[in-house]
Amino acid sequence: EAGVAQSPRYKIIEKRQSVAFWCNPISGHATLYWYQQILGQGPKLLIQFQNNGVVDDSQLPKDRFSAERLKGVDSTLKIQPAKLEDSAVYLCASRRTPRTERLISPFMNTEAFFGQGTRLTVV
Amino acid sequence: AQSVAQPEDQVNVAEGNPLTVKCTYSVSGNPYLFWYVQYPNRGLQFLLKYITGDNLVKGSYGFEAEFNKSQTSFHLKKPSALVSDSALYFCAVRAINTGGFKTIFGAGTRLFVKA
Repeated sequence: EAGVAQSPRYKIIEKRQSVAFWCNPISGHATLYWYQQILGQGPKLLIQFQNNGVVDDSQLPKDRFSAERLKGVDSTLKIQPAKLEDSAVYLCASRRTPRTERLISPFMNTEAFFGQGTRLTVV
Repeated sequence: AQSVAQPEDQVNVAEGNPLTVKCTYSVSGNPYLFWYVQYPNRGLQFLLKYITGDNLVKGSYGFEAEFNKSQTSFHLKKPSALVSDSALYFCAVRAINTGGFKTIFGAGTRLFVKA
């Protein structure tokens, strides 16, 4: 099966500019994640979608970051305006989950599949 | 609060020797534990997971991990390391939190296998 697709692979922008990243998850995967991975650190969850609804955006800096998944398939993550500290790799991941995910479900235990990421450099 | 720790920034091992990459966790309730590997300029790739059952879990590329509930650990192991195993390894724990399940990643451990 095709993997998680992300674009662009690399992006360099000046601070205060805006930027957008795109992600197409694996077909049929209802759950989609955006992670930020700063050099030397593990991935940090920014936002989680279940179909086209937001499940968790508690760590998303909402004053500058936004994300959408309008049709419940592909997703975009936007930063406006960018800051120097936003320099990182932005990873998109998807996971197979049933349409009606219950609290106790074997699908809770499925692994996530990651895209190659977008490396953002803010100068 | 849910957390995961990888106490070693880097692990060095000679090719052919056994390797261990350490991971400890802290959660409320039963954890679901995962190991991922990241090669340069690539996304994370799933290696193995522990959900329930046998404490020793076998995964991709000859890797295995041992779940130890009393020590809250999930160390990654391989009997004989290869140079191609050199990469960045992440431990992750998924557990119930307010609002549902949440996955937390460790900071990563860089494995360097010397020929």
